[in-house]
Amino acid sequence: NAGVMQNPRHLVRRRGQEARLRCSPMKGHSHVYWYRQLPEEGLKFMVYLQKENIIDESGMPKERFSAEFPKEGPSILRIQQVVRGDSAAYFCASSAGGSNEQYFGPGTRLTVT
Amino acid sequence: DAKTTQPNSMESNEEEPVHLPCNHSTISGTDYIHWYRQLPSQGPEYVIHGLTSNVNNRMASLAIAEDRKSSTLILHRATLRDAAVYYCILRDGNQGGKLIFGQGTELSVKP
Repeated sequence: NAGVMQNPRHLVRRRGQEARLRCSPMKGHSHVYWYRQLPEEGLKFMVYLQKENIIDESGMPKERFSAEFPKEGPSILRIQQVVRGDSAAYFCASSAGGSNEQYFGPGTRLTVT
Repeated sequence: DAKTTQPNSMESNEEEPVHLPCNHSTISGTDYIHWYRQLPSQGPEYVIHGLTSNVNNRMASLAIAEDRKSSTLILHRATLRDAAVYYCILRDGNQGGKLIFGQGTELSVKP
């Protein structure tokens, strides 16, 4: 049973470009969460999605960031017009239910030059 | 979500038990105590969780104080692979959803 998969593992973007981060949850999981870990900082919640719905986006920056989890395919975290401050590790997690334990992917390390 | 307090760092010797404490004096009746850990350059990993009774699994044991205001994660025999940041997190069982990570305890294991 494959775990949570994220790709790409490393992503380099120039300032002003778009970044698309993909997350495939564990088989049978319909709940997906995105977290961000800035250099030398802790993990911060960004958004919680359940198939086609955003349940909680209280941690998402107001501009440039969006997330989706379509009926088919992976969840996507999209960052438009990236800036250097967006450089971080982005982790996706999935769970079978909203109160179940979360299983994390290996992360995507975004570097903005 | 209620706040937890953990020591910033702890040291252990390989093959010895490790007791990682967590204080959560404002815990509510529906809050579960969750532990996750993050190994260097990896995503967090679920360790264990409990509500009132002590819990055991293949990774660790969780000892919960009778008043639930504190808990201890117990690694019975530390290995070098247990070196990680350990996070104690309270999560409302009625709401679920996001995990709120604090600073955690950075555990180092000496051979």
